[in-house]
Amino acid sequence: NAGVTQTPKFRILKIGQSMTLQCTQDMNHNYMYWYRQDPGMGLKLIYYSVGAGITDKGEVPNGYNVSRSTTEDFPLRLELAAPSQTSVYFCASRTGFEKLFFGSGTQLSVL
Amino acid sequence: GEDVEQSLFLSVREGDSSVINCTYTDSSSTYLYWYKQEPGAGLQLLTYIFSNMDMKQDQRLTVLLNKKDKHLSLRIADTQTGDSAIYFCAESNQGGKLIFGQGTELSVKP
Repeated sequence: NAGVTQTPKFRILKIGQSMTLQCTQDMNHNYMYWYRQDPGMGLKLIYYSVGAGITDKGEVPNGYNVSRSTTEDFPLRLELAAPSQTSVYFCASRTGFEKLFFGSGTQLSVL
Repeated sequence: GEDVEQSLFLSVREGDSSVINCTYTDSSSTYLYWYKQEPGAGLQLLTYIFSNMDMKQDQRLTVLLNKKDKHLSLRIADTQTGDSAIYFCAESNQGGKLIFGQGTELSVKP
């Protein structure tokens, strides 16, 4: 049972480039989330989804897009990368309102 | 919008009790959580409380919820050096949105 799988683990982007962070879960969870964690800070919610075909903005959605075409997958798209998007990104999922399962994170640097 | 606030640092002596506080703004919160993050590691769920409860105890951990004041606290009894970590408060509303506070760094001195 793989849980929540994020790829890639590390990535360096140039300013203005685009990329997609992949997230997939095999637990049939309805709820999926994308967070970013800046050094010494908490997690900020970027986008979340309560089921396939449904997405909603979190606290810091600007510069990002998501889609949820299947229950398993919740990719995060960065368009026109900026240095302010340098961060560690975590995907997470859960069923109901109990434990949140996290992916291992993606360390992104925009130079 | 919704917000979750915590004090940034707490320092205690080994064996003392630690109390970490959190305030939130979303009146439709259904569940409130405490997560722990050790250096270089991911977040680990410590405990959670449903919004219609006032208190939950789990071994050395006691969670108190004052829904009227939108105040949540985590008490760690007999704090050990292994409890040194960052503790995050989080709240979830009925719509599934889940947001975190900025974390409280707990330092336990021998």
